Amino acid sequence: AQTVTQSQPEMSVQEAETVTLSCTYDTSESNYYLFWYKQPPSRQMILVIRQEAYKQQNATENRFSVNFQKAAKSFSLKISDSQLGDTAMYFCAFRLYSGGGADGLTFGKGTHLIIQP
Amino acid sequence: NAGVTQTPKFRILKIGQSMTLQCTQDMNHNYMYWYRQDPGMGLKLIYYSVGAGITDKGEVPNGYNVSRSTTEDFPLRLELAAPSQTSVYFCASSYSSRAPGNTIYFGEGSWLTVV
Repeated sequence: AQTVTQSQPEMSVQEAETVTLSCTYDTSESNYYLFWYKQPPSRQMILVIRQEAYKQQNATENRFSVNFQKAAKSFSLKISDSQLGDTAMYFCAFRLYSGGGADGLTFGKGTHLIIQP
Repeated sequence: NAGVTQTPKFRILKIGQSMTLQCTQDMNHNYMYWYRQDPGMGLKLIYYSVGAGITDKGEVPNGYNVSRSTTEDFPLRLELAAPSQTSVYFCASSYSSRAPGNTIYFGEGSWLTVV
């Protein structure tokens, strides 16, 4: 079974600063996907960024980028030029590339990110 | 662009009552999932389905049942509601993890309180 660990329950930074959220995972598989989801107070789950494990290049989406270290099983999210609207819970998630039935997402417990004005 | 639609959004149940959370998706996804999210926690998988007529248990299936008679619909039934089932429930859908564009899409959640 896969596990996902987010060691920072809460983080707070000033607007416009850069912040990095940590995520580590444990798996014996070599093919998988990693995701960061954002959950604002509305509770909607919004996909921020995804990374395929077979790709060495780190994924980027505008102000969001990841640092994917496969050997270390680490997948951190960097948010540049943080904005008030970035305030939310952020969940790291793992999905096995199996094609079988039980390849849903395994989630970490989340990091509550607060952007201060 | 409807995506994944869940109803109801909010519900209060009394202990011992039963109810069904409805979920429908219009993206022709073969995989569908039900998750629950307890306060301060990540999402945990209750049940999943890889296609019409096929369902299987996830991490926390006790107290729930599902069915999948069509590709679009995946209702979750709570039998004999208990306070421990107070949670936010999310329905989600996707293509197989081996398919291109296999992102899992979520509904907006259903807040359930059992009193």
